[in-house]
Amino acid sequence: GENVEQHPSTLSVQEGDSAVIKCTYSDSASNYFPWYKQELGKRPQLIIDIRSNVGEKKDQRIAVTLNKTAKHFSLHITETQPEDSAVYFCAASIWRGAQKLVFGQGTRLTINP
Amino acid sequence: DAMVIQNPRYQVTQFGKPVTLSCSQTLNHNVMYWYQQKSSQAPKLLFHYYDKDFNNEADTPDNFQSRRPNTSFCFLDIRSPGLGDAAMYLCATSRVPQGTEKLFFGSGTQLSVL
Repeated sequence: GENVEQHPSTLSVQEGDSAVIKCTYSDSASNYFPWYKQELGKRPQLIIDIRSNVGEKKDQRIAVTLNKTAKHFSLHITETQPEDSAVYFCAASIWRGAQKLVFGQGTRLTINP
Repeated sequence: DAMVIQNPRYQVTQFGKPVTLSCSQTLNHNVMYWYQQKSSQAPKLLFHYYDKDFNNEADTPDNFQSRRPNTSFCFLDIRSPGLGDAAMYLCATSRVPQGTEKLFFGSGTQLSVL
């Protein structure tokens, strides 16, 4: 089945600097790659997603890149702010009778003022 | 205007005492999912319903069951909760069961087992 590896597990950056989180997936049939932000005790919130027919997508300070050949995708956050501090999960979606979303292990991002 | 609603927000049960968690949606989505998220871990899919068709993940324990009486509601039943079942349980929906559909998550139910 699909396996998603996410790195790093923790990331600490200075406010205003950029943060990059990387994920790799195993199943070449995966075709949808969302990123979720989760604050303590709250639901995962979709922050950006990318489909397999697109190489890059940007939404203000957040961007995602996808390399289908290498089977990896990355989240880029620029001009980080303290409110960006949270756990971020990547996921890869494959269809097996329904959408099967497999999550990475998560990255705890801390933005230092 | 909450779209996927989970009740209760916090649930405490005793070891071995059956418990039911509920999820409702106002989106009229065809697919409803239950995820289990243990502390500091990623959400893990337990099962999903596509309309009335139930699909269990291969590694979901028999202790976990689900019911979907209608499009709007879905329940997670834990027949005999163990200490290892303490977790956040997340309900999610998607419009159709295609791999590129966005998932809409509820706020979750935090289950404690005493």
